[in-house]
Amino acid sequence: SQKIEQNSEALNIQEGKTATLTCNYTNYSPAYLQWYRQDPGRGPVFLLLIRENEKEKRKERLKVTFDTTLKQSLFHITASQPADSATYLCALEGGTGGFKTIFGAGTRLFVKA
Amino acid sequence: DTGVSQDPRHKITKRGQNVTFRCDPISEHNRLYWYRQTLGQGPEFLTYFQNEAQLEKSRLLSDRFSAERPKGSFSTLEIQRTEQGDSAMYLCASGDNSGGDTQYFGPGTRLTVL
Repeated sequence: SQKIEQNSEALNIQEGKTATLTCNYTNYSPAYLQWYRQDPGRGPVFLLLIRENEKEKRKERLKVTFDTTLKQSLFHITASQPADSATYLCALEGGTGGFKTIFGAGTRLFVKA
Repeated sequence: DTGVSQDPRHKITKRGQNVTFRCDPISEHNRLYWYRQTLGQGPEFLTYFQNEAQLEKSRLLSDRFSAERPKGSFSTLEIQRTEQGDSAMYLCASGDNSGGDTQYFGPGTRLTVL
């Protein structure tokens, strides 16, 4: 079955450093890979989308890479700030999954001042 | 606030009762999704509508769960004969094709089954 794995343990980093989160998937060839941010008690908020034929995408302090051979995406937050502390979700859509969107369990990020 | 609204925000019910949730997507968004999320997990896909057509649904919607989007605007999710295991946050998301496949999520309805 289709499966997404994200770092299950929380990531703790110091303010100003770069946070790197990993998303690995199996049994899936998605058309899109997306990253969302979720704060406690709230719905996810879209951050970045990368397509299967794209290798890298950037938006302000965020960068996403997508390796369809390794079936992996890396999500980077540069110059991290305490306000970046949240859970980050990886999601796959389209391709062999049809109209379904499959989310990972998320990685909790804590940025210390 | 993404512009997607859900009602109610909280629902407490007794086991065996039926509940219905409503989602109002961003105006003119033709895509609408329902998800269920429990603590420590990511959203679990339930169903997808394109306009009024239900094009994809998980196995959960073959039994006690049903969803509708009668006029291609708002949507309802009904859970019949609720069980304690149905306690979760139910999320709705909408999107349009012009934004790629970006999904805009509502605040969710938190269901507690006693």
